Amino acid sequence: GAVVSQHPSRVICKSGTSVKIECRSLDFQATTMFWYRQFPKQSLMLMATSNEGSKATYEQGVEKDKFLINHASLTLSTLTVTSAHPEDSSFYICSARERGTSGGGVAEQFFGPGTRLTVL
Amino acid sequence: LAKTTQPISMDSYEGQEVNITCSHNNIATNDYITWYQQFPSQGPRFIIQGYKTKVTNEVASLFIPADRKSSTLSLPRVSLSDTAVYYCLVFSGYSTLTFGKGTMLLVSP
Repeated sequence: GAVVSQHPSRVICKSGTSVKIECRSLDFQATTMFWYRQFPKQSLMLMATSNEGSKATYEQGVEKDKFLINHASLTLSTLTVTSAHPEDSSFYICSARERGTSGGGVAEQFFGPGTRLTVL
Repeated sequence: LAKTTQPISMDSYEGQEVNITCSHNNIATNDYITWYQQFPSQGPRFIIQGYKTKVTNEVASLFIPADRKSSTLSLPRVSLSDTAVYYCLVFSGYSTLTFGKGTMLLVSP
């Protein structure tokens, strides 16, 4: 299957600093990428959806000025957590939807391995 | 978006068959049913997807009755490494995958 990578896999930063997480689709073009956040023992929560070349669409309650998303190419999306605080510590997972459809008119969505962010 | 309901947790033993049922009473005509598996500190991994009747791949089977208001993920002869959270999702075409609480499956020796 298609592969989605994330970098870094884990990051520890001081409160007030900014952290950038990269999400890449390695062997396919992704017109749409998604960013999820997962707190311990909870399910994945969608933060935002980004389409290549356009502004991201944020879910209700997600601050767009705090979580900056850039989707500059069909294989790369970045999430920047600005002025991070301890409450932003979480597991961030990106997902990419393959361009076009595959079997049955459904676009497959592939997930990255996640990035563990710890803000001290 | 069709809401899904699945058991919070299930226990099993190695070598047994595990069936996890998900209800999605308001599934729409264009909706597909898909299941993902997630291990701790990893991204979800696609298991299987179907629209109706039965779908089988190398890791699981998916049973969908005619009314499509529920589906059952069947894992044959589970092993310890199948301990994970399993998510049932309903979506159509290019809609966004929205995750529910999932089912925590614990496989014991």
